[in-house]
Amino acid sequence: QSVLTQSPSVSGTPGQRVSMSCFGSNSNIGIFYVYWYQHLPGAVPKLLIYKDNLRPSGVPDRFSGSKSGTSASLAISGLRSEDEGDYYCAAWDDSLRGGVFGGGTKLTVL
Amino acid sequence: QVQLVESGGGVVQPGESLRLSCAASGFTFRSYSLHWVRQAPGKGLEWVSVISYSGASLFYGDSVKGRFTVSRDNSKNTLYLQMNSLTTEDTAVYYCARHREGGGYYYPPSPDLSVWGQGTQVTVFS
Repeated sequence: QSVLTQSPSVSGTPGQRVSMSCFGSNSNIGIFYVYWYQHLPGAVPKLLIYKDNLRPSGVPDRFSGSKSGTSASLAISGLRSEDEGDYYCAAWDDSLRGGVFGGGTKLTVL
Repeated sequence: QVQLVESGGGVVQPGESLRLSCAASGFTFRSYSLHWVRQAPGKGLEWVSVISYSGASLFYGDSVKGRFTVSRDNSKNTLYLQMNSLTTEDTAVYYCARHREGGGYYYPPSPDLSVWGQGTQVTVFS
């Protein structure tokens, strides 16, 4: 059972906009930044969003992050087949004094 | 280019030990916090540990606390993870990863990881 809760799966068609959520608590998301990772088959995890809503250089603006209270969201617009994979949220947890990842959301592009 | 290369994975029996290494190149190693993250078969990412740029500050996930020890040798640009009392639950691909920003100590050492190694497989098998 992950400290950060993500829906197991989401799907969309090419060109569509999808979003996925990450639910935490006042021990993690409520007080610290959220990070989002993309983990494609056969690849290493890639940082998509840092500090809630900032994109590293090279990440397309199709990817956007937001946060409200103890939950965060990742949105992907203009969905592409190459976006298919697993997406994880992450944060620091004050009670655990450690990092935590969500269980991951599997994105399927139909 | 900026690179992290893990090594030291393998197959061991429950109760045994293993030491992973992560060799860094292409950046000022001593300036960055470094993390270990693992992924068990069919499971999601799990944060394991972080060590500050100097090695003075260490944190561990609950599942490895007391059994794993993270360390670094800034003269060799290498990160280590000593894993003792291994169980089948430790079977996973282990990644080392670099914090996105360097330049000093800050709290918390969030999982803000912009550079990842390719991973090394650890299998604990009885």
